[in-house]
Amino acid sequence: AQSVTQLDSHVSVSEGTPVLLRCNYSSSYSPSLFWYVQHPNKGLQLLLKYTSAATLVKGINGFEAEFKKSETSFHLTKPSAHMSDAAEYFCVVSGYSSASKIIFGSGTRLSIRP
Amino acid sequence: NAGVTQTPKFRILKIGQSMTLQCTQDMNHNYMYWYRQDPGMGLKLIYYSVGAGITDKGEVPNGYNVSRSTTEDFPLRLELAAPSQTSVYFCASSPGRVANTGELFFGEGSRLTVL
Repeated sequence: AQSVTQLDSHVSVSEGTPVLLRCNYSSSYSPSLFWYVQHPNKGLQLLLKYTSAATLVKGINGFEAEFKKSETSFHLTKPSAHMSDAAEYFCVVSGYSSASKIIFGSGTRLSIRP
Repeated sequence: NAGVTQTPKFRILKIGQSMTLQCTQDMNHNYMYWYRQDPGMGLKLIYYSVGAGITDKGEVPNGYNVSRSTTEDFPLRLELAAPSQTSVYFCASSPGRVANTGELFFGEGSRLTVL
């Protein structure tokens, strides 16, 4: 069985400071992991993906995530937050066993303070 | 580049009414999906399709129906609308299994309110 847990429902940081959004997963086999971003009243957009290649994955807009199998984590980071990063972020796990097994986390709302 | 297009963007329904949410994609993707998003929750899969003529239930199919007569279109039908169906609905597509192809492409959503 697969599952994904986003550990924080809301994260608030000051502009220019680092961002950390936490995600833990559970999977019976090697998963594919993704981070999606959703800006207000918009659809979801892929930030980055891990599909069993390099464990440190770089995405768009300066975001990156590290796959840590021993910790079953896939945390999203960015060195310096920008006002335009304010959005909802979803951690997603997908397995190979079924086309429908795409599990979304409950989301983390990122707020940026000026 | 249109991508995935959903209509309408907003709709208010009365209890017991029916309606269809339209979804079309121009990327020739075989896989299409309908999700609903409720406040504070992740997306829940309603129905999905792996190709024209093939549909299957997701996690929360009750109260909905779909059809896939063409590769491009994947309409979602709500019969006898209920307040519990108040939500934001997202259509998505992918060229194959997400685990293999790596990405879902989303429409901008349809916000439905049932009063």
